[in-house]
Amino acid sequence: ETGVTQTPRHLVMGMTNKKSLKCEQHLGHNAMYWYKQSAKKPLELMFVYSLEERVENNSVPSRFSPECPNSSHLFLHLHTLQPEDSALYLCASSQEGTLLDTQYFGPGTRLTVL
Amino acid sequence: DAKTTQPPSMDCAEGRAANLPCNHSTISGNEYVYWYRQIHSQGPQYIIHGLKNNETNEMASLIITEDRKSSTLILPHATLRDTAVYYCIVRPRKAAGNKLTFGGGTRVLVKP
Repeated sequence: ETGVTQTPRHLVMGMTNKKSLKCEQHLGHNAMYWYKQSAKKPLELMFVYSLEERVENNSVPSRFSPECPNSSHLFLHLHTLQPEDSALYLCASSQEGTLLDTQYFGPGTRLTVL
Repeated sequence: DAKTTQPPSMDCAEGRAANLPCNHSTISGNEYVYWYRQIHSQGPQYIIHGLKNNETNEMASLIITEDRKSSTLILPHATLRDTAVYYCIVRPRKAAGNKLTFGGGTRVLVKP
């Protein structure tokens, strides 16, 4: 257990559905991240939140909408996804501004878009 | 961020030391070397990081060459549970938005 939880662990959705992924960190960190890992591809950074403000958005399509209501919670809202969006979505957190600002990852949500 | 080069795969014997190389010839002075691993279907796990001195923790040792252009992660006594993809990442430390850029990593298979 890393102190970062993600729900659901598995999600199957149609292209017209709207769903949300949830991430919660119990580490007291001040930064949270969304990564995407497609089959046979390296992890790709999607969004970064630092002190609840988005500091990076890596040209992610608007059908992915992040939300960070507080420093412990991060959501990824999904709508009208495409089959190629099927992937493992990973959340991470870190404590920035310290000597040990390593990122701790959750177990991921395995998303399948039909 | 500096790019890293790792062998795509390697096998090692259970109980023996596993030495994982990483080249980062374009590393700059303010960039750290980080190692993560990802066991199948799990999130990446932090292992160790360093700037220029060798580092050791309960999981592994990190040896960085004097010119900092390459490093080696050492798993002193590999177990079957160490089978994973190991990522070497180089990045600076900023005030905010410290992202990790993952490459292909090295797929390590520990064999009995």
